[in-house]
Amino acid sequence: NAGVTQTPKFRILKIGQSMTLQCTQDMNHNYMYWYRQDPGMGLKLIYYSVGAGITDKGEVPNGYNVSRSTTEDFPLRLELAAPSQTSVYFCASSVSYEQYFGPGTRLTVT
Amino acid sequence: KNEVEQSPQNLTAQEGEFITINCSYSVGISALHWLQQHPGGGIVSLFMLSSGKKKHGRLIATINIQEKHSSLHITASHPRDSAVYICAVRPNAGNNRKLIWGLGTSLAVNP
Repeated sequence: NAGVTQTPKFRILKIGQSMTLQCTQDMNHNYMYWYRQDPGMGLKLIYYSVGAGITDKGEVPNGYNVSRSTTEDFPLRLELAAPSQTSVYFCASSVSYEQYFGPGTRLTVT
Repeated sequence: KNEVEQSPQNLTAQEGEFITINCSYSVGISALHWLQQHPGGGIVSLFMLSSGKKKHGRLIATINIQEKHSSLHITASHPRDSAVYICAVRPNAGNNRKLIWGLGTSLAVNP
């Protein structure tokens, strides 16, 4: 199993550009999560999903959108990138409560 | 004040030392998680516990629900243990899929 994979690993965006961070898991987990991690801060939950077709907001959803059309994929969309969205983004999945994390995407918005 | 506090923030040890990292929380919980974040950024779950003690190799995690406190111990520390150790709690009220995260303890083990 590849576990949780994320693409891209790194990305630089200009202010106002859009992009999609991809997340795929091959463990047939129902639950999937998107977090952001800023220097010196704990992980912040952006969005999560309890299964295909069901998503819900976390602590910091503004500026982001998600969809969950399949069990495997949970893409995160940034529509109008802002410098405040410079961060490291982690996708995770779980079947019970233990979460499995992807390697992260380092995003810089300038 | 964060609902999950870790101490110390930073820790430097010599190889072979016994290490303790602490996590205190202020909410009622159904479980507590310990995770390790490698220098390259990857995050791995170490333990999930709701009572007592768990052991895996040189790592031991304990929790005291009444005192709202957990400790992560590393015996015979090694430079490869250098990482950030993160505590997170699962509240027993509200949406328990939303973990509350500590800020992490950065551990450096010198040879």
